[in-house]
Amino acid sequence: ETGVTQSPTHLIKTRGQQVTLRCSSQSGHNTVSWYQQALGQGPQFIFQYYREEENGRGNFPPRFSGLQFPNYSSELNVNALELDDSALYLCASSRDWVGVNYGYTFGSGTRLTVV
Amino acid sequence: GNSVTQMEGPVTLSEEAFLTINCTYTATGYPSLFWYVQYPGEGLQLLLKATKADDKGSNKGFEATYRKETTSFHLEKGSVQVSDSAVYFCALSEQGAQKLVFGQGTRLTINP
Repeated sequence: ETGVTQSPTHLIKTRGQQVTLRCSSQSGHNTVSWYQQALGQGPQFIFQYYREEENGRGNFPPRFSGLQFPNYSSELNVNALELDDSALYLCASSRDWVGVNYGYTFGSGTRLTVV
Repeated sequence: GNSVTQMEGPVTLSEEAFLTINCTYTATGYPSLFWYVQYPGEGLQLLLKATKADDKGSNKGFEATYRKETTSFHLEKGSVQVSDSAVYFCALSEQGAQKLVFGQGTRLTINP
């Protein structure tokens, strides 16, 4: 298994800009979720995709959007960046829909800093 | 809504000490419970899980028992090692839900 790979590892953006974060999931993992982890906090659920369709969303505004592709890669897009968007963004994938039977495999994350 | 509360950190212990990290949860149904571990510079790794009341999850010497009556899932290890130093997250997943709800994490440091 190749694990979950995220890119870039670090990123600095200016308030108001747009950013795209990328994730490459393990082969066969049809589910991908994105989480935001602020410094010193636990990860917060942004949304989940299953077979290229969004099937769950947390308490995040519409300027957070995503895509999942047939080759097990996915993107998180954030528009109109705000200072509070500075965080570690984690991608997680799973073989099953809710990650109970097999658990989620997490990437190492992208550290986004908004200045 | 659903929530997870972990004991405040950081926790510092000597090698071979006994470890307990407390975790309690609030949920409307019958959630599955998890412990994830995050080593420096790495993503979260699933440490153990329990999917119903009285189940005991175990892995790498760590154990946690799903206690429905006290809504708790405390993590224990009988003898910790320096390599156990990491941040530990308790989490739950409601039946049929698509998300994990995490606690705030507990940073554990083991001194030789």
